[in-house]
Amino acid sequence: DAGVTQSPTHLIKTRGQQVTLRCSPKSGHDTVSWYQQALGQGPQFIFQYYEEEERQRGNFPDRFSGHQFPNYSSELNVNALLLGDSALYLCASRATYTGELFFGEGSRLTVL
Amino acid sequence: GENVEQHPSTLSVQEGDSAVIKCTYSDSASNYFPWYKQELGKRPQLIIDIRSNVGEKKDQRIAVTLNKTAKHFSLHITETQPEDSAVYFCAASGNTPLVFGKGTRLSVIA
Repeated sequence: DAGVTQSPTHLIKTRGQQVTLRCSPKSGHDTVSWYQQALGQGPQFIFQYYEEEERQRGNFPDRFSGHQFPNYSSELNVNALLLGDSALYLCASRATYTGELFFGEGSRLTVL
Repeated sequence: GENVEQHPSTLSVQEGDSAVIKCTYSDSASNYFPWYKQELGKRPQLIIDIRSNVGEKKDQRIAVTLNKTAKHFSLHITETQPEDSAVYFCAASGNTPLVFGKGTRLSVIA
């Protein structure tokens, strides 16, 4: 049983560009959350998707958007990249009505 | 919204000693409190969690205690080993998604 998988694992972009990160949840999980983890910090909640809709959102600007597909996989899009967007982006999934989150290995984004 | 404070930010212990990490939370509606371990370059991994209807939970060398009245919870690691060295995060959730503390870097010195 594969856990949460994310792609790409590493990527480098320049300021102003756009990026798309992808996530496949753990088998049996239908809720996907995205977190941003800056160096030396705890993960910060970006948003959560369930039934293909954004259900909750953290304190992130509209440049951060997402999508969930019928197979529960998800994408995180970030437009107009800033240097401060450099971070590890973690996808986490859980089954409905359970609290335990399973994290993927993350996508490390560097913005130059 | 929920705010989670975690202390200390760094902790060094001798192998075999105990380590204690403490967290406080602000939202009285929070009812789920997990602890994650993150090794360098790796994903956070759940090591233990506790729900608000329980005061203490233990799993081998790891235990978590919860004081709902004071809104704080703690992670206790006994008989520490070098492989326990990592960053540990507490988190809390209830009606909100998981909110994480800033982490504690634990170093176990052999």
